[in-house]
Amino acid sequence: LQLQESGPGLVKPSETLSLTCTVSGGSISSTTHYWGWIRQPPGKGLEWIGTIYYSGTTYYNPSLESRVTISVDTSTSQFSLKLSSVTAADTAVYYCARRTSGWPFDCWGQGALVTVSS
Amino acid sequence: EIVLTQSPGTLSLSPGEGATLSCRASQSVSGSYLAWHQQKPGQAPRLLIYGATSRATGIPDRFSGSGSGTDFTLTISRLEPEDFAVYYCQQYGSLPYTFGQGTKLEIK
Repeated sequence: LQLQESGPGLVKPSETLSLTCTVSGGSISSTTHYWGWIRQPPGKGLEWIGTIYYSGTTYYNPSLESRVTISVDTSTSQFSLKLSSVTAADTAVYYCARRTSGWPFDCWGQGALVTVSS
Repeated sequence: EIVLTQSPGTLSLSPGEGATLSCRASQSVSGSYLAWHQQKPGQAPRLLIYGATSRATGIPDRFSGSGSGTDFTLTISRLEPEDFAVYYCQQYGSLPYTFGQGTKLEIK
């Protein structure tokens, strides 16, 4: 299984950050897997953003819930992250990852650095 | 939200020595759903331990996890040069999933 993040590396303050994760080598429609986004500001720790099931059911971190939307497109084996009203504090490496039911995140993408700056 | 506190922040050891990393939770971790991830510079995290004690596929047996409730430990026996990295604990039993702040294992 491979996951690959893609999207703009630079976003202006107050705009919306958009990233896509493409899943290959496995089925995004698996009934035992969940798909998530985690971020890591430069030099800092990891923060879970949210997770989605192939059916579209979502789970968000309450600290970001008002600004986050995660969606899935099973026809293209992709899931996406939108984070609105970004500020410099949202500058981070954004990872997509797979979680198997009952397991933690066990397969990660390589990460995508997104910088929020004018 | 379950807050995970890792100690020490930095651990300086030599290859061949053993390492003990601690992760303490602010409340009991449901089902011992506690994981350890290893992260090297410029790389994504890699899952080492899940369910507090089970090694992930391909992880050498010098890595072992223990603990339950609120206190968990990652033990690395006989450090190899490739083991020097940052280690994060993560709980996945309760939403929101949370990570510890990390322990940096550096070469002495």
